[in-house]
Amino acid sequence: DIVLTQSPVLAVSLGQRATISCRASQSVSISSINLMHWYQQKPGQQPKLLIYRASNLASGIPARFSGSGSGTDFTLTIDPVQADDIAAYYCQQSRESPFTFGSGTKLEIK
Amino acid sequence: EIQLQESGPGLVKPSQSLSLTCSVTGYTITSGYDWSWIRKFPGNKMEWMGYISNSGSTNYNPSLKIRISITRDTSKNQFFLQLNSVTTEDTATYYCARWGTYYYSSYPDYWGQGVMVTVSS
Repeated sequence: DIVLTQSPVLAVSLGQRATISCRASQSVSISSINLMHWYQQKPGQQPKLLIYRASNLASGIPARFSGSGSGTDFTLTIDPVQADDIAAYYCQQSRESPFTFGSGTKLEIK
Repeated sequence: EIQLQESGPGLVKPSQSLSLTCSVTGYTITSGYDWSWIRKFPGNKMEWMGYISNSGSTNYNPSLKIRISITRDTSKNQFFLQLNSVTTEDTATYYCARWGTYYYSSYPDYWGQGVMVTVSS
């Protein structure tokens, strides 16, 4: 199985940039298609799709969210961070089954 | 608007079977997409369990393959999860989700609210 590694916690100040990383144990890209996706989950809510295929913003997601990366290293950026962004963020790969998720990064305010 | 809603018992005894229903509104499950179950354990690890395709074929996580069954009732636009021989390690919040069919869209774009299931005697 492809293992996705995320740092457990990231603390940032409001108005600053947050950079959340996800590293895969093997490449999750096929040709130029990066099969990594990002979700936001707030307490008591279901996960919400933020970014698909590494860099595509899902419908209704604010432009302060962006994604980048290829191969094994991917990044979710939130700029600027707002209070409403306090949540856990998960990456997920669809390069191969079984599809796997990262362990999540909890975004906290400094 | 597409909505998914899980339902089922919140408490299951060890060695018994866990059975959940996902009711879908706003989209017909035979029209496209795959229909998936995902669970989140205490401590936040998330696991894709498997899906049933719009044509009725299934794909399961090998870690669960001997215990899991995903079926559907197309007349009710519902799909179901059965997990056999549960242990306390199956305690989790269970989500149903719409999952993209093609490799480049293989991710969940709509999720249910989730149902917490505790395995305990």
